[in-house]
Amino acid sequence: GAGVSQSPSNKVTEKGKDVELRCDPISGHTALYWYRQSLGQGLEFLIYFQGNSAPDKSGLPSDRFSAERTGGSVSTLTIQRTQQEDSAVYLCASSPSDSRQPQHFGDGTRLSIL
Amino acid sequence: SQQGEEDPQALSIQEGENATMNCSYKTSINNLQWYRQNSGRGLVHLILIRSNEREKHSGRLRVTLDTSKKSSSLLITASRAADTASYFCATDARDYGQNFVFGPGTRLSVLP
Repeated sequence: GAGVSQSPSNKVTEKGKDVELRCDPISGHTALYWYRQSLGQGLEFLIYFQGNSAPDKSGLPSDRFSAERTGGSVSTLTIQRTQQEDSAVYLCASSPSDSRQPQHFGDGTRLSIL
Repeated sequence: SQQGEEDPQALSIQEGENATMNCSYKTSINNLQWYRQNSGRGLVHLILIRSNEREKHSGRLRVTLDTSKKSSSLLITASRAADTASYFCATDARDYGQNFVFGPGTRLSVLP
């Protein structure tokens, strides 16, 4: 069956450019998460969407980061005016309802800022 | 230390041996989950153990939870080269003001 799909798988861009990362969750999953993983490190929570509730944005590192989820399905993470420290793998996960259930991860977008 | 911190950071064993990884956390939790990540891939869920459970098994995996010590362990028995990956614990403490928190992981290498 279809899992969580993320695109692009790799993105190389110049410092100062804006980037958009896309996540297609598993159909019917109401919870969607974005994480950031630096090389060899654990996951850093960024943002959490649950159904029609207001998203939990407490993990976003700066106002250059934003995310939206349209129609309760596809989500886009946008990073404006990218900096070199934004280079990382951005992982998206979804789960059937809330954080008490296992999360299903995509393979991530590897973002490199030159 | 951070919520959901694994120990050791890296572990190297021979095929057939058992591997034990530990996870410590700070706040009360609803559940604790273990995930596996192969290089360049996303995380794959292994086991979820609820706060009122003490032990769970899944195939060659055994997870224990000691809420009094705020710790959990993941045991992989009869390890295989294919078990080589990073293993993360994640705690759900949303009722206690925290989001789903992942530790930095244990990098397991199983040598053939």
